[in-house]
Amino acid sequence: ETGVTQTPRHLVMGMTNKKSLKCEQHLGHNAMYWYKQSAKKPLELMFVYNFKEQTENNSVPSRFSPECPNSSHLFLHLHTLQPEDSALYLCASSQDLSRPEWENQPQHFGDGTRLSIL
Amino acid sequence: SQQGEEDPQALSIQEGENATMNCSYKTSINNLQWYRQNSGRGLVHLILIRSNEREKHSGRLRVTLDTSKKSSSLLITASRAADTASYFCATGNQFYFGTGTSLTVIP
Repeated sequence: ETGVTQTPRHLVMGMTNKKSLKCEQHLGHNAMYWYKQSAKKPLELMFVYNFKEQTENNSVPSRFSPECPNSSHLFLHLHTLQPEDSALYLCASSQDLSRPEWENQPQHFGDGTRLSIL
Repeated sequence: SQQGEEDPQALSIQEGENATMNCSYKTSINNLQWYRQNSGRGLVHLILIRSNEREKHSGRLRVTLDTSKKSSSLLITASRAADTASYFCATGNQFYFGTGTSLTVIP
């Protein structure tokens, strides 16, 4: 149990569907992240939120829409996805990015959502 | 790029042997962190080494850092089948990871 829960664990959707991925952390953290992990590629940072405010958008296509209603919850809304978007989507959290030693704080990851686009 | 790159991409050893994997990076860093990922699971933080440290130990893990060569190594001693996983290094603000080293420990 990592303290970061992602649902669903697996998702199959068509290119015209709309779905959402959910992430919840019970660690009292204030920073949350979305990553994409494709086979044979480096882990790709997608979005970073700190105290509910987006601080990083790593040139992610608009068909991915994040939402962070509070420091404990993070969503990734999906619409009109492409087959190349099939991947493992990982959520992570850490203590807030405003602290002087924020770079030294480890990230805590969920077990991911395995997304397959038909 | 701040991204760390792990080497080798894959490593297979017998249980009880030591496993060494390396990480190289391109920019100056304040720290370097190693993570582990079991198949189908998320990443788990293993150890952090600061830029002013040369070596750090945690249980069977030993991490070294050579800032002049912009490289780090992770040594797992007396490996176990349960150590089978992918290992990643992350540099700087930890937003950037490499493709990892896939370690297989054969019982």
